[in-house]
Amino acid sequence: NAGVTQTPKFRILKIGQSMTLQCTQDMNHNYMYWYRQDPGMGLKLIYYSVGAGITDKGEVPNGYNVSRSTTEDFPLRLELAAPSQTSVYFCASKQAGYTFGSGTRLTVV
Amino acid sequence: EDKVVQSPLSLVVHEGDTVTLNCSYEVTNFRSLLWYKQEKKAPTFLFMLTSSGIEKKSGRLSSILDKKELSSILNITATQTGDSAIYLCAVMGIQGAQKLVFGQGTRLTINP
Repeated sequence: NAGVTQTPKFRILKIGQSMTLQCTQDMNHNYMYWYRQDPGMGLKLIYYSVGAGITDKGEVPNGYNVSRSTTEDFPLRLELAAPSQTSVYFCASKQAGYTFGSGTRLTVV
Repeated sequence: EDKVVQSPLSLVVHEGDTVTLNCSYEVTNFRSLLWYKQEKKAPTFLFMLTSSGIEKKSGRLSSILDKKELSSILNITATQTGDSAIYLCAVMGIQGAQKLVFGQGTRLTINP
């Protein structure tokens, strides 16, 4: 039982490049979330999903897209990377309580 | 818009001291308040406080919810260097997706 798995752990992108942050959970949770954490700050919600095929915007969705084709996977897509997207990204799923992935540290230069 | 404010933002104490971290919130239809400890990676769960469970304790850590004042405190007694971390407070409203709204965190440093 791996919980919530995020890949990659680290990535450096150039401005304008695109990438997908992967998130997979094996707990059959319906609720999944993407948060970002800037230095010295708390976590801010980017997108969330309450089940396969259903996604919605959080507090800071601009510059990101998500999809939820299966219960297990909730990838986060950055289409045109900008320096403002330099952050640590956490994926989480929820049943009774939240389970966080280990995070992806993204730097855009 | 739901909002969570933590204070202080940073705190440095000596090992053995007692610390109190504060969290105040504004949330539509409050459901629960959660405390997390974050070291180098993902937040780890400490406590969840609700209307029916306003006080929690685990070892040297304890937390109280004051629904009248819309606030919570996290107490750590006899602090140890291993308590050094960022402590995050988050609230959840009674909306369908059970999203968390986080405060900025308090960075606690325990010096030997």
